[in-house]
Amino acid sequence: NAGVTQTPKFRVLKTGQSMTLLCAQDMNHEYMYWYRQDPGMGLRLIHYSVGEGTTAKGEVPDGYNVSRLKKQNFLLGLESAAPSQTSVYFCASSSLRTGNYGYTFGSGTRLTVV
Amino acid sequence: QQQVKQSPQSLIVQKGGISIINCAYENTAFDYFPWYQQFPGKGPALLIAIRPDVSEKKEGRFTISFNKSAKQFSLHIMDSQPGDSATYFCAASIGSGTYKYIFGTGTRLKVLA
Repeated sequence: NAGVTQTPKFRVLKTGQSMTLLCAQDMNHEYMYWYRQDPGMGLRLIHYSVGEGTTAKGEVPDGYNVSRLKKQNFLLGLESAAPSQTSVYFCASSSLRTGNYGYTFGSGTRLTVV
Repeated sequence: QQQVKQSPQSLIVQKGGISIINCAYENTAFDYFPWYQQFPGKGPALLIAIRPDVSEKKEGRFTISFNKSAKQFSLHIMDSQPGDSATYFCAASIGSGTYKYIFGTGTRLKVLA
């Protein structure tokens, strides 16, 4: 099925470790986003990309880096994980071409930093 | 000014009843207001959306009511069913070309059978 695929689905990290979350979409969408979801806080935008090779900061970018070397992939990196980064991470994509400005979300990555 | 305030935090409704979730915003530049539905363990999915040039949009049992002057919008779920039990998020975005959403904090809806 077409959509947004996130890997891994679950991960436990020790404080100070690094990791990369992968997001892949097969809908040829131009825009891609990384959000984190925390209880009582909704979804907050970490970084986003409006096209291949471009990225920009969102609402809560500190401690994260991103790259979009290919249109279909958007990577989220944690260089030195902290317990405050324990969260559920969602990737999403969208396209103006469809005339529908809604996001297609992945199923999420649950990250625990101990 | 970038916040979207959502209420209530949780809601319990009897089967067949009407579920109402409210959101308020401050930034008058917002021009697209979607609602998302999220089931446990899944990503949010677009449910229905509205632009500020209309006051109401209906899709099946789901209706968005929009009050531009009050800067408020709400989701009404008619004839609520147990399968509607989920978390609902409102959002707002500015059509600046990036369509970044500001999300509300979510409402956990439980529909009793």
